[in-house]
Amino acid sequence: DAGITQSPRHKVTETGTPVTLRCHQTENHRYMYWYRQDPGHGLRLIHYSYGVKDTDKGEVSDGYSVSRSKTEDFLLTLESATSSQTSVYFCAISDYSGRSGANVLTFGAGSRLTVL
Amino acid sequence: SQQGEEDPQALSIQEGENATMNCSYKTSINNLQWYRQNSGRGLVHLILIRSNEREKHSGRLRVTLDTSKKSSSLLITASRAADTASYFCATPLTGTASKLTFGTGTRLQVTL
Repeated sequence: DAGITQSPRHKVTETGTPVTLRCHQTENHRYMYWYRQDPGHGLRLIHYSYGVKDTDKGEVSDGYSVSRSKTEDFLLTLESATSSQTSVYFCAISDYSGRSGANVLTFGAGSRLTVL
Repeated sequence: SQQGEEDPQALSIQEGENATMNCSYKTSINNLQWYRQNSGRGLVHLILIRSNEREKHSGRLRVTLDTSKKSSSLLITASRAADTASYFCATPLTGTASKLTFGTGTRLQVTL
């Protein structure tokens, strides 16, 4: 997980409260991603960023927002957490340039969120 | 929606045996990747195979790709207890290589 850290690693919160997860990278990679992992669903893309202030939705973006004001930080916010957002959240980074056609991701260690 | 689907969902073998897991996907791709996830950790990239390749090797790993059947297989030879993990295939979402979609994974247990 060198070069990418997630915080907090564990969080328990109550329904209706806002939650922000942080992903920090030291690799200066252009692309950053947020995935959630749930049993039976594998990893699903929530949002991703292709540069500072440039973000786009993934397949399960409802209820989540993101921000990227600096290259190194990508924040995932749950404005009003619900029990269905209990999950393990993974941040990933990539230096994908488009030229090679292959996008290899490096993942963080994950943030386990429990919404009661 | 998810592109890849691994099979089997779970696999239990003894140390020294070979482990084979499969991935099927739905639409045309230009590459396919395999990742490993140890319990409680993030995913780690193992190997990438491009659509113009049929087979690729990396140490004890052998990956095949059959684009006509839209399937890939990952073979781990001479398995070790340390290979116990979940294995995921990943493919680019249709039309955008910047987004990867993952299957639900194969959970491999290697016993002594």
